[in-house]
Amino acid sequence: DADVTQTPRNRITKTGKRIMLECSQTKGHDRMYWYRQDPGLGLRLIYYSFDVKDINKGEISDGYSVSRQAQAKFSLSLESAIPNQTALYFCATSDYFRGEQYFGPGTRLTVT
Amino acid sequence: AQKITQTQPGMFVQEKEAVTLDCTYDTSDQSYGLFWYKQPSSGEMIFLIYQGSYDEQNATEGRYSLNFQKARKSANLVISASQLGDSAMYFCAMREVDNYGQNFVFGPGTRLSVLP
Repeated sequence: DADVTQTPRNRITKTGKRIMLECSQTKGHDRMYWYRQDPGLGLRLIYYSFDVKDINKGEISDGYSVSRQAQAKFSLSLESAIPNQTALYFCATSDYFRGEQYFGPGTRLTVT
Repeated sequence: AQKITQTQPGMFVQEKEAVTLDCTYDTSDQSYGLFWYKQPSSGEMIFLIYQGSYDEQNATEGRYSLNFQKARKSANLVISASQLGDSAMYFCAMREVDNYGQNFVFGPGTRLSVLP
């Protein structure tokens, strides 16, 4: 079984709809992250969390919110989706020491 | 200003040859980490190699090595004996601490194509 899982893997939604992307991990890491990937721009950090009570904004948090329900679960919400939020979304985890991140398989989100 | 620069949008290499993918970074931190990730066409992100800013030795992981030149702020990835399966996007990334806390920045990537 994969260490970091994301649901759904693909989603098409309409402008203005609320959508939640979920991430679960079995690596036992405290640190979790949400990124989006747009063609030619690499990955950009949306939010990150170092433990259940810690939530931090990343480079591009506007239009997004997160919830850390447990050490193993970190959800990303788009309260009112807009077309320029169409992207590939990755969840990642890391340990404390070196910080290399282990990524989920990604969620491809299309907002029409 | 770009924190991570990868100047090679695309690279070609012959199978079994070595290839160097360039990465330069910009930070005022003394303590930071540098990473390389591989993204094959299937889309997953695969961690390859890590270099800490205080590490004196260049990192190596199998066929991957990181040519770390701290004064020049460069962290180039060297892949030896290229294989067809190495064809993918490669991202350089940095972990640093800024005014808002920890920050993770990825470069735009280099697409490597290995030719048979």
